[in-house]
Amino acid sequence: QVQLVQSGAEVKKPGASVKVSCKASGYTFTSYGISWVRQAPGQGLEWMGWISAYNGNTNYAQKLQGRVTMTTDTSTSTAYMELRSLRSDDTAVYYCARGWLQIPLDYWGQGTLVTVSS
Amino acid sequence: QSALTQPASVSGSPGQSITISCTGTSSDVGGYNYVSWYQQHPGKAPKLMIYEVSNRPSGVPDRFSGSKSGNTASLTISGLQAEDEADYYCSSYTSSSTHVVFGGGTKLTVL
Repeated sequence: QVQLVQSGAEVKKPGASVKVSCKASGYTFTSYGISWVRQAPGQGLEWMGWISAYNGNTNYAQKLQGRVTMTTDTSTSTAYMELRSLRSDDTAVYYCARGWLQIPLDYWGQGTLVTVSS
Repeated sequence: QSALTQPASVSGSPGQSITISCTGTSSDVGGYNYVSWYQQHPGKAPKLMIYEVSNRPSGVPDRFSGSKSGNTASLTISGLQAEDEADYYCSSYTSSSTHVVFGGGTKLTVL
C-alpha cells in the first residue's frame, strides 16, 4: 500500500532553517511528483510547491521563492522540503502528498509540525 | 486571501443532502476539468474525495459527488452521516505559474 511517512516535529528559532523529509513506499517513486502543502494553526491549506521525482523539476509558490528548496533522493524514495529564514508565521503543519500539476493529491503524509518561536 | 472561494460553513441534519460551492475563474475552475475535493478531520491529514470534477477514488462512498458549471464547482454529500462532519477544501489546476490553488475551506457541521 502507498505510504508517505514524514519526519518528526521541529522547534526552530526565527531566522533558522528546517528540513522535513517524506519517505515514500508502495509505488514507483519516480513515476509521480510530490507536492508540499502547509496549514497554519486554525487556517486553511496552502500549496507550497511540487517536485518531479522523475527529473527533479520544481515549481514553488511565489511567496516562498528564495526561501524554499524541494529535493528528492531516488535511492531512498525520499522527498525533502527545506525552508530557510524562518519567521513566526511559518509555524504550521507541513504535509507532503503524492501528486503534482493536474494530478490530484491522492496520498498524504501524516504531517510535520514546525514551530517557530524565540 | 484564497484563490478559490468557498462558504465558511454549511450544516445539515443526518440523512439530508448538502452542497458546498467552490468559485474560481476561467483560469482555473472554469478552464480545466481538474477540480479536486479534500476532506479533513481535526488533527488529521486531508483525504482525497473527488478528482477531475466528479470522479471518486476507490473507497469513497457514492454519497459524495462532484459537478461543475462555469467557474463554480460543487461537492454534494447526500444521506449525511455524523462522520461526514469535517472541513472540506476544493482545489483546481490553474494556468498561473503556481499551477495549483486551494479554496479557503468549508466547515461542515452535522446537526
